[in-house]
Amino acid sequence: EPEVTQTPSHQVTQMGQEVILRCVPISNHLYFYWYRQILGQKVEFLVSFYNNEISEKSEIFDDQFSVERPDGSNFTLKIRSTKLEDSAMYFCASSSGTPGLETQYFGPGTRLLVL
Amino acid sequence: DQQVKQNSPSLSVQEGRISILNCDYTNSMFDYFLWYKKYPAEGPTFLISISSIKDKNEDGRFTVFLNKSAKHLSLHIVPSQPGDSAVYFCAASAQGAQKLVFGQGTRLTINP
Repeated sequence: EPEVTQTPSHQVTQMGQEVILRCVPISNHLYFYWYRQILGQKVEFLVSFYNNEISEKSEIFDDQFSVERPDGSNFTLKIRSTKLEDSAMYFCASSSGTPGLETQYFGPGTRLLVL
Repeated sequence: DQQVKQNSPSLSVQEGRISILNCDYTNSMFDYFLWYKKYPAEGPTFLISISSIKDKNEDGRFTVFLNKSAKHLSLHIVPSQPGDSAVYFCAASAQGAQKLVFGQGTRLTINP
């Protein structure tokens, strides 16, 4: 069964450093998403991406964040200058269509720890 | 942001019995609802969904009920099995929006 994969599974970084989280969505999917879950809190939407551009983003997704689909398979989330409060599980998801029509399938997550 | 609420942080059920997980929402624009299951150190796994044009959807041991007037949905698992022990998240999306809005999750424990 096709699945979303994410690398790395864990990342530890120093405050102020840049991190890039990588995702390989399900191959025939067209919509890509990033969510995060701070320990003990809800899963929160960050951004959605379709047709090589951001289609929706949350208030959390400020100028420190960017997304890219550098090739036909990878989807990345970059945090330019990490802050302590960026420590969270980051989940990538993909769907073949928009919510309400198609389900979002999630990857296993990357645990980011900012020191 | 309390648009989707799961008021029970935990639920304990005996193996073989029915598990009922509840979810309430406030945004009347939500028209698609999903349940995800999550094990520790894994991502949310899709279980079942329901569109607002329906009031029930069934898939094997899992049934989701939607009460639009009460803005309430529930997930029934019957019979409950030990492998069902996990955190269950309710999520919703609004027409025209791409994001899912999640509840806080309910930790379900199935006791042998």
